[in-house]
Amino acid sequence: DAGITQSPRHKVTETGTPVTLRCHQTENHRYMYWYRQDPGHGLRLIHYSYGVKDTDKGEVSDGYSVSRSKTEDFLLTLESATSSQTSVYFCAISERLAGGQNTGELFFGEGSRLTVL
Amino acid sequence: GDSVTQMEGPVTLSEEAFLTINCTYTATGYPSLFWYVQYPGEGLQLLLKATKADDKGSNKGFEATYRKETTSFHLEKGSVQVSDSAVYFCALRRNTGNQFYFGTGTSLTVIP
Repeated sequence: DAGITQSPRHKVTETGTPVTLRCHQTENHRYMYWYRQDPGHGLRLIHYSYGVKDTDKGEVSDGYSVSRSKTEDFLLTLESATSSQTSVYFCAISERLAGGQNTGELFFGEGSRLTVL
Repeated sequence: GDSVTQMEGPVTLSEEAFLTINCTYTATGYPSLFWYVQYPGEGLQLLLKATKADDKGSNKGFEATYRKETTSFHLEKGSVQVSDSAVYFCALRRNTGNQFYFGTGTSLTVIP
């Protein structure tokens, strides 16, 4: 199994509070992604990173920020959580081919279930 | 924009039945196509993939053929088992980018 650890695995918080989810990998993969999974929507990309300090927005990035100061860690922050951000959040990683693109295989963490009351 | 559409679930089958889960896509150019599977309480894992037209991906008795003319990548298995109960996601990745686009997932339950 790919070495991906998400923390916390479960969190309940209140509207308006900041929340940070952490993704830690031991594979030294270049690409890291944050997705959210919601019924009826499948997986939607929030942000992704293609290297240290290199990040880009996905399709549902509003209300979220990310940081990657080290290859192994990718943090997702909700500055002021809202009930619409109640979801299961998945981190994924992918390796880079010599030509610059990823290998096409994503390895996923076990998910972080966030409930915003 | 790029997108994936897969058949609505849930799907319930008896053991040893034939499985088809439909997937069609919209994309610029010639994307790579994937099927991922999510077992209860776990993250997704790659089931199979195809990177060009007419390629067939296969794994664990599942297979899917990349059909450019119908923009489809349907998942099939000849005889399902109880252990195949999971959620199946179709996905694509443009060959010029590093983003993946997922369908909404199809839940499969196989009963003995």
